[in-house]
Amino acid sequence: QQQVKQSPQSLIVQKGGISIINCAYENTAFDYFPWYQQFPGKGPALLIAIRPDVSEKKEGRFTISFNKSAKQFSLHIMDSQPGDSATYFCAASNAGSSGSARQLTFGSGTQLTVLP
Amino acid sequence: ETGVTQTPRHLVMGMTNKKSLKCEQHLGHNAMYWYKQSAKKPLELMFVYSLEERVENNSVPSRFSPECPNSSHLFLHLHTLQPEDSALYLCASSQSLGSYNEQFFGPGTRLTVL
Repeated sequence: QQQVKQSPQSLIVQKGGISIINCAYENTAFDYFPWYQQFPGKGPALLIAIRPDVSEKKEGRFTISFNKSAKQFSLHIMDSQPGDSATYFCAASNAGSSGSARQLTFGSGTQLTVLP
Repeated sequence: ETGVTQTPRHLVMGMTNKKSLKCEQHLGHNAMYWYKQSAKKPLELMFVYSLEERVENNSVPSRFSPECPNSSHLFLHLHTLQPEDSALYLCASSQSLGSYNEQFFGPGTRLTVL
């Protein structure tokens, strides 16, 4: 029930195209859904995050769409650029019990390649 | 130094060796984490520390031993590892536990166990 399923595993998009990565979860207690971006040789870095009280969040070319009833959320990258080529991880978390940590459950990652 | 730093960046060790991974955060955060990242698998949370106190141990084998001497430093002591322990080990920190605090990751230590 703690699993977050991410697809596709890899994605190739032409420059200027739209990249779409999807994630699905089972645990209805999840209340925070961040996306992380990881470049080779670097640690993951927070890209954008959403809470379930809204259905969409946009920051520049990056948009999270959230469907609470379907327990799905997705990352859309508009006007994809070669510099966006990286591995993207979705994640979900819920408030831990008293004194315990808010743990992030990660998807398995999507390797995005944007062709020039 | 800024952010979260990890040393060494690469480590090759035999199954009988003892080594340690070091993490330092320069962000004034109170919580620190160790993650294991294996190819094509989700990041696995190993340990969580808050104000130098371990608050989570996600069923990690005893051949991995964490240490948090202060809120800025985190170590992962390794002994008698197995080849399947080869992975990228990531350290992260956040302002505190709970809430929606962003976790900041270091670049990781690429560990190879021969």
